Amino acid sequence: GENVEQHPSTLSVQEGDSAVIKCTYSDSASNYFPWYKQELGKGPQLIIDIRSNVGEKKDQRIAVTLNKTAKHFSLHITETQPEDSAVYFCAAGRDYKLSFGAGTTVTVRA
Amino acid sequence: KAGVTQTPRYLIKTRGQQVTLSCSPISGHRSVSWYQQTPGQGLQFLFEYFSETQRNKGNFPGRFSGRQFSNSRSEMNVSTLELGDSALYLCASTPGLAGAAETQYFGPGTRLLVL
Repeated sequence: GENVEQHPSTLSVQEGDSAVIKCTYSDSASNYFPWYKQELGKGPQLIIDIRSNVGEKKDQRIAVTLNKTAKHFSLHITETQPEDSAVYFCAAGRDYKLSFGAGTTVTVRA
Repeated sequence: KAGVTQTPRYLIKTRGQQVTLSCSPISGHRSVSWYQQTPGQGLQFLFEYFSETQRNKGNFPGRFSGRQFSNSRSEMNVSTLELGDSALYLCASTPGLAGAAETQYFGPGTRLLVL
C-alpha cells in the first residue's frame, strides 16, 4: 500500500517568516495530494490540494509543489501568522483512499 | 450547506464492550470514509462506503465494521473493545462519483476512551 513520510514533525517559526513541510510517497499511481490543517478539538480541514497533472498551485499565502519523478511534494506557507499554528497533514491517494503523513506541529512565535 | 456531523462527540467505554458511532455526510455526498486517529499511529484509513456498499477497506481487524444506509448516513461499530481502541474516530464525505480521488470533508470526530 501507499506509504507517506512527512518532515519535520515539529516546526517553530517567527511570525512573518515562511514555513515549509515536505512529504514523500511510495505509490507512483497516486494522483491526488491534499494538505489538511487540524486545530485542537476539530477534524482536519482541507487547505490546498494538487493533482498529478499539475506541478504547482498557489492560494494566497499557501503554495504546494509536486515532483512526480521524485515522488515528493511540499507545502509552503509565507508570511506566517499566529493563526497558522496547528497540525498539518499531507496525504497521497488515488481512487477512494487517502494515506496520511504523520503530521507536522507548526508553532508561530509572536 | 451543513458540514459532516458525527455523534456522539465523546464516549467512554470499558474493555470488552461494543460501541457504535454515527456519521451524517454533507447533503448530496454518497461516499463516507472512516479514519482512526491516534498520537502514535496518526490517521489510519478504516473503510469507505458508497451507495450502501463497502468499496475500500484498510488493515484493521474484523472487530471494526461499518455500514451505510440509503440516505448515505453511516455507522461504524467496534466490538470487544480493547484499550488500544482509544482514539479519535473521524469520518469524511465526498460526492463519490469521480474516477480520481476527491476532496474529503471531515467531521469533528468522536473521541472514544476505553477504560
